Amino acid sequence: EVQLVESGGGLVQPGGSLRLSCAASGFSFSDHHMDWVRQAPGKGLEWVGRSRNKANSFSPEYAASVKGRFTISRDDSNNSLYLQMSSLRTEDTAVYYCTRAFYNSGWNSDFWGQGALVTVSS
Amino acid sequence: DIQLTQSPSFLSASVGDRVTITCRASQGISDFLAWYQEKPGKAPKLLIYAASTLQSGVPSRFSGSGSGTEFTLTISSLQPEDFATYYCQQLNSYPLAFGGGTKVEIK
Repeated sequence: EVQLVESGGGLVQPGGSLRLSCAASGFSFSDHHMDWVRQAPGKGLEWVGRSRNKANSFSPEYAASVKGRFTISRDDSNNSLYLQMSSLRTEDTAVYYCTRAFYNSGWNSDFWGQGALVTVSS
Repeated sequence: DIQLTQSPSFLSASVGDRVTITCRASQGISDFLAWYQEKPGKAPKLLIYAASTLQSGVPSRFSGSGSGTEFTLTISSLQPEDFATYYCQQLNSYPLAFGGGTKVEIK
């Protein structure tokens, strides 16, 4: 059974840093691209970024809104995905989802974690 | 960057109604489009990928169509469990993007 479990959310002050983790199980982690998607309170879904799979050298992609502030990494030996967030702003307050992607006309997110809430506030 | 425009942003419908949601891309994306369903307090669920392929386990009353810049998600006969918010996502080029969402509520 595919499982994605996020952890590391919490309250942080503006300008601060936080690292989210996503523990994956039930599938061959290194074969899949992995995404982070967020949802601010009362708002729609926003794609945050991607870690490509091993075959694509784990190279990342980012949304413009987080580029230069957020870093996505992964540890395939531990089946884990990370989102290092720095220079956090109040507008980064959201539930952050880790997703697994499979390829068919693009990499589609077929499994999602339960989400981790990040609140940026003084 | 590719933008996705969903319409309507809100619709009110009754159980048994046929519902159609449209997603328009600012440039051609072939069939690199997915549809997701989101319910309050739950993670989004993949319904359709490659514009028209039903994800495993999704009821056949859901269908998707389109290519290029115009896409539709259709629910042939709305069920009580279908009241939710629906999003399209383009997977053609970075940065990936979601549409603004369509909230389907009970009339």
